[in-house]
Parts: sequence; structure tokens; C-alpha cells
Amino acid sequence: DQQVKQNSPSLSVQEGRISILNCDYTNSMFDYFLWYKKYPAEGPTFLISISSIKDKNEDGRFTVFLNKSAKHLSLHIVPSQPGDSAVYFCAAARSARQLTFGSGTQLTVLP
Amino acid sequence: NAGVMQNPRHLVRRRGQEARLRCSPMKGHSHVYWYRQLPEEGLKFMVYLQKENIIDESGMPKERFSAEFPKEGPSILRIQQVVRGDSAAYFCASSPLGQQNTEAFFGQGTRLTVV
Repeated sequence: DQQVKQNSPSLSVQEGRISILNCDYTNSMFDYFLWYKKYPAEGPTFLISISSIKDKNEDGRFTVFLNKSAKHLSLHIVPSQPGDSAVYFCAAARSARQLTFGSGTQLTVLP
Repeated sequence: NAGVMQNPRHLVRRRGQEARLRCSPMKGHSHVYWYRQLPEEGLKFMVYLQKENIIDESGMPKERFSAEFPKEGPSILRIQQVVRGDSAAYFCASSPLGQQNTEAFFGQGTRLTVV
């Protein structure tokens, strides 16, 4: 029972263009959503988060959008840089409890 | 301010042996979480601990797995009688007192290989 889904296992984008990573969830009780970035052989690094009371949160080149009616969130990275190449995990939490992760999307930014 | 420290980074065990994975949270953090990542999958929650207490172990397998976070020292994830299917990356995360999990900081993980 996958409550958080990332349907695209991989995404390639040209440097300088926008990267859009998508995530869908099924549990309407989730009230907090996060994106983590992970390099090989390292732990996930927190990127950006959004509460369910908001529909957008921006931090530098990273913006997260939340569409509660569609149970969908997305991470926009603009402009994309080669150093952004990593696996991106979407995660969701309910009442500040443990995180439920998606399966990840491998982003490759081509120079 | 050191981050979350996990050791060992790599651990090889034969089937039937015990595996002990250690996690030292960030300074000032009193919440510890263990996650497991199987190949080609996302991280799956295992257990949530505070000092000397297991708060939520709903993700822990019912047998062979245990976790503790003593008053002094690191958190330990213990796997008894390991099997091949236990081979995975095990990540520990910590968050500060009064801030449960929502922006938890992760360690670099322990990669367990059962041969």
C-alpha cells in the first residue's frame, strides 16, 4: 500500500531549464510534506517543506506546490544546475509523526 | 556541530549472525528515527524513539529486530539472526526536542550486507 507515489523514476533536464518533480499521495490525513535530496552513499538532505494549510512555499531556486484537492505536490527547481543531479524523495507526515517516503526520482541535469 | 553520526558505514554479516547499528543524534536532539531503504525503493519507517522510550515501533518487523535509545550513548538498532533479506541501507534521523520529525536530519546510513 503505497501512500506516497513518485511515478517517474528518472528525469533529465538541460542545465538552466526548469526541473519539475511530481509526487502523489493517497492519505488525506497527511498535513506536512517535504522534499529530500539524496546523493549515492549519503543520507537524505532536507530541501524544502510545505504545510497543508499552504499551497506554495519558495526557497531560492526551489519551490514546492501543493494541490490538496488533487493530492498532488511538485517540486520546481529553476534554473537547474548540474549539482542538482541526485535522487529526490517526496515525503509526507501526519500530525508530526514519522515520514512516509515515495520511491524517489533520479534527476540528471545535463551541462 | 556534528551532524547525525552512524557507524559502521558498511557492515557485512553472515546469515545467522547479529548486526548492531549505532546512531548518535545531533547535539540537542532527543528524537531518533530509524528507516530502512531496500534497493530501488524509498525509505521505510521502522521505529521512533526518545531517550529511554520507544514511542512508535509500528514499522519494525515483529521478530529479530529491536531498538533502544539509552539515557547515555547512541541509539542501537539490533538485528538478530540476520537473513539475506535484511541487506539494505539503514538510516537514522534525529530532530530537536519538541519538534517531531518534520525536518529530521539524516545520517549517512549503514549499509548492511548479509552473505
